Amino acid sequence: EVQLVESGGGLVQPGGSLRLSCAASGFTFSSQWMHWVRQAPGEGLVWVSRINSDGSSTSYADSVKGRFTISRDNAENTLYLQMNSLRDEDTAVYYCTRDKPGNYYYIDVWGKGTTVTVSS
Amino acid sequence: DIQMTQSPSSVSASVGDRVTITCRASQGISSWLAWYQQKPGKAPKLLIYAASSLQSGVPSRFSGSGSGTDFTLTINSLQPEDFATYYCQQGNSFPLTFGGGTRVEIK
Repeated sequence: EVQLVESGGGLVQPGGSLRLSCAASGFTFSSQWMHWVRQAPGEGLVWVSRINSDGSSTSYADSVKGRFTISRDNAENTLYLQMNSLRDEDTAVYYCTRDKPGNYYYIDVWGKGTTVTVSS
Repeated sequence: DIQMTQSPSSVSASVGDRVTITCRASQGISSWLAWYQQKPGKAPKLLIYAASSLQSGVPSRFSGSGSGTDFTLTINSLQPEDFATYYCQQGNSFPLTFGGGTRVEIK
């Protein structure tokens, strides 16, 4: 079964840092692009970042550029999101997601999400 | 960035109805469009990709059409499990962007 399981969310003060992890299973992780997508409470979906299959290329939403870093460990089948200089507006559920095989830039697998709350 | 605008923001419908949701891109995206369904407290689910291709396992009452800037998701014979929020997403270029969502409610 294809599965993505996020961890690392929690409560953090503004200006703080957090690292999210996503354990992938049931597919060849090293072959797939991956994305992080977030959803603030009661709001819509917002794409955050993507990484290609070998980790050599990344992209970020302007709202997180310079503060967040996406990375992966293909030996451990794990995706990461390092979040620094967190702001109130980063409060959201963060979903680890898989790019649909074939590099379509669509998302065909979603984790259950991990909640990040930025508050003093 | 490409802006995606969905309409309506919400729709009330009954079981058995046909529901149509529209998504407009701020610039042409060919057929690089997906539709997702999200139920409360759950992760989204891919329904349609490449504007009109049905994702594996998705019921055939869901269909998508359009190209360029205007797209439509149609749900034929609405079922109780279809009451949810639907999002479009463009896959033409980064940053990937989603529409604001359309909530399908029970009339």
